[in-house]
Amino acid sequence: NAGVMQNPRHLVRRRGQEARLRCSPMKGHSHVYWYRQLPEEGLKFMVYLQKENIIDESGMPKERFSAEFPKEGPSILRIQQVVRGDSAAYFCASSRDRVDPSVEPQHFGDGTRLSIL
Amino acid sequence: GNSVTQMEGPVTLSEEAFLTINCTYTATGYPSLFWYVQYPGEGLQLLLKATKADDKGSNKGFEATYRKETTSFHLEKGSVQVSDSAVYFCALSGSGGSNYKLTFGKGTLLTVNP
Repeated sequence: NAGVMQNPRHLVRRRGQEARLRCSPMKGHSHVYWYRQLPEEGLKFMVYLQKENIIDESGMPKERFSAEFPKEGPSILRIQQVVRGDSAAYFCASSRDRVDPSVEPQHFGDGTRLSIL
Repeated sequence: GNSVTQMEGPVTLSEEAFLTINCTYTATGYPSLFWYVQYPGEGLQLLLKATKADDKGSNKGFEATYRKETTSFHLEKGSVQVSDSAVYFCALSGSGGSNYKLTFGKGTLLTVNP
């Protein structure tokens, strides 16, 4: 019973390049959440998606960042023209059919560690 | 907005010692409270939760009580093991229609020596 799968585990990019982070939710889960953990910080909510819909992107920077969760395939977090400040761990979580985490817990992946040179 | 403040780490204990990791929060409404644990190289796992005031969450010998009057949710364990070495995160849910939005503390690294 595979958990939330994220890849790659580590990603190195040079300033100005694009970074694509993938997340396959647990089987049967239709809700996906992305969080970012900057060095010495806790995880911060970025975006919540359901299949083909962005529900809440209030935590995502307005420029250079985008997210999608297509009908088929994994959810993608895309960062264009990366800068040093984008270096962080990016975690994806998924849940089944209820969004209240006290009822239906969010299951987290192992994260992608993004390093910008 | 919501925020969580956790005890600064790292915390180093000997096996069988008593553990307390302090957590206080600021929130609007009536959030649920959580402790997550992250073992080396892995993702976060839910350790325990409490959904209303005076609730006690417990799992694997860990306990935490939702104290509304002191806005706290301190994590305790009576006798830690080497296998408990990990990073512990206190978190709370958003309120109302945004309850899916978890807010985390910075995490506390616990190392247990044999």
